Amino acid sequence: EPEVTQTPSHQVTQMGQEVILRCVPISNHLYFYWYRQILGQKVEFLVSFYNNEISEKSEIFDDQFSVERPDGSNFTLKIRSTKLEDSAMYFCASSQVGSRTDTQYFGPGTRLTVL
Amino acid sequence: AQSVTQLGSHVSVSEGALVLLRCNYSSSVPPYLFWYVQYPNQGLQLLLKYTSAATLVKGINGFEAEFKKSETSFHLTKPSAHMSDAAEYFCAVSDATGGFKTIFGAGTRLFVKA
Repeated sequence: EPEVTQTPSHQVTQMGQEVILRCVPISNHLYFYWYRQILGQKVEFLVSFYNNEISEKSEIFDDQFSVERPDGSNFTLKIRSTKLEDSAMYFCASSQVGSRTDTQYFGPGTRLTVL
Repeated sequence: AQSVTQLGSHVSVSEGALVLLRCNYSSSVPPYLFWYVQYPNQGLQLLLKYTSAATLVKGINGFEAEFKKSETSFHLTKPSAHMSDAAEYFCAVSDATGGFKTIFGAGTRLFVKA
C-alpha cells in the first residue's frame, strides 16, 4: 500500500541553525500538508500546499518557515533559524484531492530537537 | 469554527473489556469527523471517518464510532480490547472555513492491562 515517507526520522540541531525536513507524498496525491506536535500537546496544522502554492497557513507558520516542492516527488519544510520552541514532531500528510471528506495520509514524522 | 474535545487524556481497560473513547465536536456546519491512532514512535493512521452517510461507522481493527447529532458526539468503541490496541487516539474534524486542514483533539492514551 502506498505511504507517505519522511526523512530524517530524528534531527538534532543547534538554535539558530536552518533545518530542512523532507517528505515524499503518495505519488498521485495533489494536496500536501505539514502538521506539528509539541510533546504532550495536540497535533497542530502548519500549512497546506497545492499546485505549487501555499493554500492555507496557520499563525504558527511565520516568516521563519517555508515549503517547497523542488521536484515531482519531494515536499520540504524549511525552518530558517530554529528556536527552542520549534522542538516537536513534524508530520507530513497528503491527500488525493482537496475536500473535507478526503482522507489525509500521514507520514511517520520527523522528531526535531533544537538545543 | 470547528473543534473537537476528547474527554479523558488517559483511559485504562483490561484485555477483553469494552473500549470507549469519548469525543464531542463543535461545528457550525455538518461536520466530517475522523479518528486516528498513533502507535508509539509511529505516524497517524486513520481508523475511520464519518462523512454524513451512515451514522455508525466501522473502521479497522474492530473499531467503530457512532455519530450522534443530538449529543454532538462521535465516540469510538471496540467490544473487546486487545493488548495491541494500546496507543494514542485522536478525534479530528475537517475544517469548514475554506481550507482542508484537519483539526485535532488533544488525544486519549489507551492503556490495556493483561
